[in-house]
Amino acid sequence: QVQLVQSGAEVKKPGASVKVSCKASGYTFTNYYMHWVRQAPGQGLEWMGIINPSGGSTTYAQKFQGRVTMTRDTSTSTVYMELSSLRSEDTAVYYCARESSMTTIITFFDYWGQGTLVTVSS
Amino acid sequence: DIQMTQSPSSLSAFVGDRVTITCRASQSISSSLNWYQQKPGKAPKLLIYAASSLQRGVPSRFSGSGSGTDFTLTISSLQPEDFATYYCQQSYSRPPITFGQGTRLEI
Repeated sequence: QVQLVQSGAEVKKPGASVKVSCKASGYTFTNYYMHWVRQAPGQGLEWMGIINPSGGSTTYAQKFQGRVTMTRDTSTSTVYMELSSLRSEDTAVYYCARESSMTTIITFFDYWGQGTLVTVSS
Repeated sequence: DIQMTQSPSSLSAFVGDRVTITCRASQSISSSLNWYQQKPGKAPKLLIYAASSLQRGVPSRFSGSGSGTDFTLTISSLQPEDFATYYCQQSYSRPPITFGQGTRLEI
């Protein structure tokens, strides 16, 4: 069965960086795009970007350009999201989410990781 | 960017009620609209994709309709486990993928 397992909670100081991992299993890793979505406490869902695990190409939301880097390791079927220059507003739960298809027009997030809480506090 | 606006932001209802949540896109998105349910402390769960297709395993009391800019999610007879927050999401134009602000459904 498809599983996305994320790394554990992190506490960081302002200005630091955090790197969250998402290990995929139960499917062919390179056949599905992976996205990162975050949710601040009590707030809605915010899309951060997408990575193609096959070639490693990425597209980021404008808001995070210059601060976010998404990478992948095909040998371990793991994607990573690194966010730098952290500030208190980055305190949120970060989710990885698999996109349902690379080849159809209509797509959706069919599997999600369990979420990783990142707390930014001095 | 395509803006997604849900209404209402919150809704009180009773078990057995019929409930409708609305999502409006700032421009036409054809049928590229998905609905998710999120319970506290959990990841979102896909309910409806392509505006009206029920995801496998989702109870048939959930249904979706609409196209273009106006969409609805209907729960025909609320069950206790349905009390949650619901989000719409467009996949028509990206980047960015955008979500509605959420509708909190409570007793």
